[in-house]
Amino acid sequence: EADIYQTPRYLVIGTGKKITLECSQTMGHDKMYWYQQDPGMELHLIHYSYGVNSTEKGDLSSESTVSRIRTEHFPLTLESARPSHTSQYLCASSPGGFSYEQYFGPGTRLTVT
Amino acid sequence: AQKVTQAQTEISVVEKEDVTLDCVYETRDTTYYLFWYKQPPSGELVFLIRRNSFDEQNEISGRYSWNFQKSTSSFNFTITASQVVDSAVYFCALSGTDSWGKLQFGAGTQVVVTP
Repeated sequence: EADIYQTPRYLVIGTGKKITLECSQTMGHDKMYWYQQDPGMELHLIHYSYGVNSTEKGDLSSESTVSRIRTEHFPLTLESARPSHTSQYLCASSPGGFSYEQYFGPGTRLTVT
Repeated sequence: AQKVTQAQTEISVVEKEDVTLDCVYETRDTTYYLFWYKQPPSGELVFLIRRNSFDEQNEISGRYSWNFQKSTSSFNFTITASQVVDSAVYFCALSGTDSWGKLQFGAGTQVVVTP
């Protein structure tokens, strides 16, 4: 079973604030992913990384940014939160190529007021 | 381009009924993998199964079973004798050789099991 952690689990914040959503995994997986999802709806890939110092934008355009300085850590940052950023953010990791499943963290439910 | 279609938005059943979730996919890859995930109300996605395109054997795990038919590009999922704890959103996903590990998810099917 994978160990992937996200903090905070819930966040309510005012418009214009800078926020960082944390994601860490302890399996040494090279690949990590961020998804945005409205409750019960489709998952949209917003960022991914194939390893340290590698970051790519996903299929859905996002105003957030990511960094990958350490293998185990893949934080997502919003410089200026807006109500349109209200959503659930899911982090995932995978050990290798396309044959491998992704393991998901518990998610962060973000509300921007 | 890859595409996964889950045409059923929501399925409601009474406990102990069987429920089948449809998944139809499109890909140009000859080698690809298919996945099913469960997302309970808590929000976390739970991995259920992975199948590769060369293995068309059906699989059973407890009350869960999967029917992979390459000829119709389908990978359907059946829950036998459903229970209230099966209430969740279920996602089908696809990964191909050109996707570099990225998963293409379907829109999900909400399953509601009532006592």
